[in-house]
Amino acid sequence: QSALTQPPSASGSPGQSVTISCTGTSSDVGNYNYVSWYQQHPGKAPKLIIYEVDKRPSGVPDRFSGSKSGNTASLTVTGLQAGDEADYHCSSYAGDKEVFGGGTKLTVL
Amino acid sequence: QVQLVESGGGVVQPGTSLRLSCAASGLSFYSFDIHWVRQAPGKGLEWLATISYVGNNQHIADSVKGRFTMSRDNSKNMLYLQMNTLRAEDTAVYYCAKDFPRAGGYNFDYWGQGTLVTVSS
Repeated sequence: QSALTQPPSASGSPGQSVTISCTGTSSDVGNYNYVSWYQQHPGKAPKLIIYEVDKRPSGVPDRFSGSKSGNTASLTVTGLQAGDEADYHCSSYAGDKEVFGGGTKLTVL
Repeated sequence: QVQLVESGGGVVQPGTSLRLSCAASGLSFYSFDIHWVRQAPGKGLEWLATISYVGNNQHIADSVKGRFTMSRDNSKNMLYLQMNTLRAEDTAVYYCAKDFPRAGGYNFDYWGQGTLVTVSS
């Protein structure tokens, strides 16, 4: 049982947009603006794509964006591409620890 | 370029111990906090532990506290995870990951390729 709740799957067609939610509590997502998102392709290590709710590390396309409202954070991917098909994991700082969601498998139809 | 390489995984019996290592290169290792994160087969990620850049402060997940400890040797650019009293539920790929600097909370910007630990009788 993961601390943060993500939908197990999401999908969209090439060029479309998709939003993945990540719901926590007032002890993690709701208490800190320290939500991160990771992209993980099969058999590979995760890659940081969003930090501090809505910031992108250098090299991450602006097609990836993050937001937060209350205890729920969201990742939006616009202009879906075949290479975006991957697992997406959210995480939140929770005071000297990090909690993750169960991951969402994004399928590009 | 930054490289993290884990080693030490394998198949072990329940109740036994294992020490994982993470060799770092291409960075000023002594300048960064480092983390261990694991992923059980077909499951999500789980943060396990963080050690400060100096090595004098660490935080351990409740799920492994009392069984797992983390250490580092900055003179060798090495990180370690000592795992004791292993259980079947510890079966996972174990990653070391570097902390992303200048960002609040814990953020993992470079990851190793992972090492698989299988706990089975």
